[in-house]
Amino acid sequence: KAGVTQTPRYLIKTRGQQVTLSCSPISGHRSVSWYQQTPGQGLQFLFEYFSETQRNKGNFPGRFSGRQFSNSRSEMNVSTLELGDSALYLCASSLAASGGTEAFFGQGTRLTVV
Amino acid sequence: GEDVEQSLFLSVREGDSSVINCTYTDSSSTYLYWYKQEPGAGLQLLTYIFSNMDMKQDQRLTVLLNKKDKHLSLRIADTQTGDSAIYFCAAARDYGQNFVFGPGTRLSVLP
Repeated sequence: KAGVTQTPRYLIKTRGQQVTLSCSPISGHRSVSWYQQTPGQGLQFLFEYFSETQRNKGNFPGRFSGRQFSNSRSEMNVSTLELGDSALYLCASSLAASGGTEAFFGQGTRLTVV
Repeated sequence: GEDVEQSLFLSVREGDSSVINCTYTDSSSTYLYWYKQEPGAGLQLLTYIFSNMDMKQDQRLTVLLNKKDKHLSLRIADTQTGDSAIYFCAAARDYGQNFVFGPGTRLSVLP
């Protein structure tokens, strides 16, 4: 069973550009969440999608957005990149069955903004 | 909101037991998780415990939960060099996936 796949693994962008990251969840999983990991702030929740709808959103500016497609794949977009957006972006997938979740993480996309 | 705290560093000798501690603030956190992150890798789920449990054992891993004190611990028996990594404690309610993670404990295993 394939795990969570994030592409690309590494990305270098310049300030002011925009970037799109992709996450393919485990087959059958319908929930995808995104997290940002930085040395200073640790792991912070960005947003969660289930059945193409955003269910929860963390405390990030509107430059961070996402969407989920009918096949459960998700994309995350960051516009007008800032140096502080340099981070490891992690995606997690789960069945999101009622009564609890068990989330599986991808290896992440390391974004460097120069 | 929820706040999760962990000590940042732990060093142990190979073969000893490691105990990583975590505290959380939201008593309505229903699911408490331990994740492992090796250098350059994503997060690997190690184990989790429901808030109605006191203890869970899985091979070398033992999770203890003191719900009254909102204290969670992960014990790794017979710690090996391959256990060197950052260990994250995370808390979540019983819906959605917006975990709140602790800062991570960097475990160093000395030969």
